[in-house]
Amino acid sequence: QVQLVESGGGVVQPGGSLRLSCAASGFTFRSYGMHWVRQAPGKGLEWVAFIRYDGSDKYYAASVKGRFTISRDNSKNTLYLQMNSLRAEDTAVYYCAKDGRSGYSTSCYFDYWGQGTLVTVSS
Amino acid sequence: QSALTQPPSASGSPGQSVTISCTGTSSDVGGYNYVSWYQHHPGKAPQLMIYEVTKRPSGVPDRFSGSKSGNTASLTVSGLQAEDEADYYCTSYAGSNNFVVFGGGTKLTVL
Repeated sequence: QVQLVESGGGVVQPGGSLRLSCAASGFTFRSYGMHWVRQAPGKGLEWVAFIRYDGSDKYYAASVKGRFTISRDNSKNTLYLQMNSLRAEDTAVYYCAKDGRSGYSTSCYFDYWGQGTLVTVSS
Repeated sequence: QSALTQPPSASGSPGQSVTISCTGTSSDVGGYNYVSWYQHHPGKAPQLMIYEVTKRPSGVPDRFSGSKSGNTASLTVSGLQAEDEADYYCTSYAGSNNFVVFGGGTKLTVL
């Protein structure tokens, strides 16, 4: 069965950096695009970033563009999110999610989600 | 402020039907048949309920259905059950600039 396990969350000071990882299993990781989605405390879900199956294209929400970098290592079945210049408003549970379509195309739906990892930005 | 507009709350009694709306623009909901819906119980991973406007993943009860008219998509839950009480979110593809947009979420209460 599909499993997505996030790690790397924790407490970081404003302006600091953190790298999240998402270990994938149960499907052909190299064939699917992957997303990061977050949920701030008491708020709704917010899409953060997407990377195509081969890493050839990356897309970001305006709120994180220029500060966050999504990447993947298909040899390790692992998705990453490098977060720099962190702000208090980046405090959230971060979920990795599998795109529902294989290959280059995407209809931007998330058919499997991890349990999430909490990032807290606070001094 | 979320890109897609959902009512903050909805409710119904067991056995009744409830419809949750999701209003966007011609640049997202109205421009693509790429609307999806998620059920989220707090503390758990969100679950895909509807994708590509009307399609239901295997394992999702047929009490859940999706539709779209113009810039507004809708999720209908028929035969409400206690376990349907959760937060529901819509999303849409929004082109290469915004890529994916979410609604603000609707808290569904089963009375």
